[in-house]
Amino acid sequence: DAGVTQSPTHLIKTRGQQVTLRCSPISGHKSVSWYQQVLGQGPQFIFQYYEKEERGRGNFPDRFSARQFPNYSSELNVNALLLGDSALYLCASRSDYTGELFFGEGSRLTVL
Amino acid sequence: GENVEQHPSTLSVQEGDSAVIKCTYSDSASNYFPWYKQELGKRPQLIIDIRSNVGEKKDQRIAVTLNKTAKHFSLHITETQPEDSAVYFCAASTIISWGKLQFGAGTQVVVTP
Repeated sequence: DAGVTQSPTHLIKTRGQQVTLRCSPISGHKSVSWYQQVLGQGPQFIFQYYEKEERGRGNFPDRFSARQFPNYSSELNVNALLLGDSALYLCASRSDYTGELFFGEGSRLTVL
Repeated sequence: GENVEQHPSTLSVQEGDSAVIKCTYSDSASNYFPWYKQELGKRPQLIIDIRSNVGEKKDQRIAVTLNKTAKHFSLHITETQPEDSAVYFCAASTIISWGKLQFGAGTQVVVTP
């Protein structure tokens, strides 16, 4: 079974640009969460989606948005990029049975 | 909202010794406490978790203890090995919102041979 897959793995953008990050959960998992991990810090919760509905939102500006598709894959969009948005963006899917959260390898975003 | 504090930020141990990492949380509603290990450039991986109806849980060389009254939980690694070197994160959540974890700041563990 494939784990959580994310794309792209690395990307470089300039300030003011927009970025879309993609995530495919583990087969059978209906819940997807997004986290931002700045170098040297713990992951910070951005969004949680379950069955295509937003179930939670962290303390991030409206420049951050997300959605979940019928196949449970998800996209995270960030508009008007700032230097401070440079981070590792992690997607995680959750097992309904055990509650365990499984992380993907992440998308490393660098904003210049 | 939930706030999780983690100590120490760095921990250096000799191979074979034990390592202990401590976390405190603020929200009494939290009832799920996982621990993640993150190697450099890799994704966080769940190593053990504990729910509030359990005080202690062990898995080989790893154990976690939970004190709900004091709102703190700890990770214990015995007989440390060089491959245990990594950053360890504690986290807290409620059963209802398992996908929303509040992480601690992390502990860099270095095991020297």
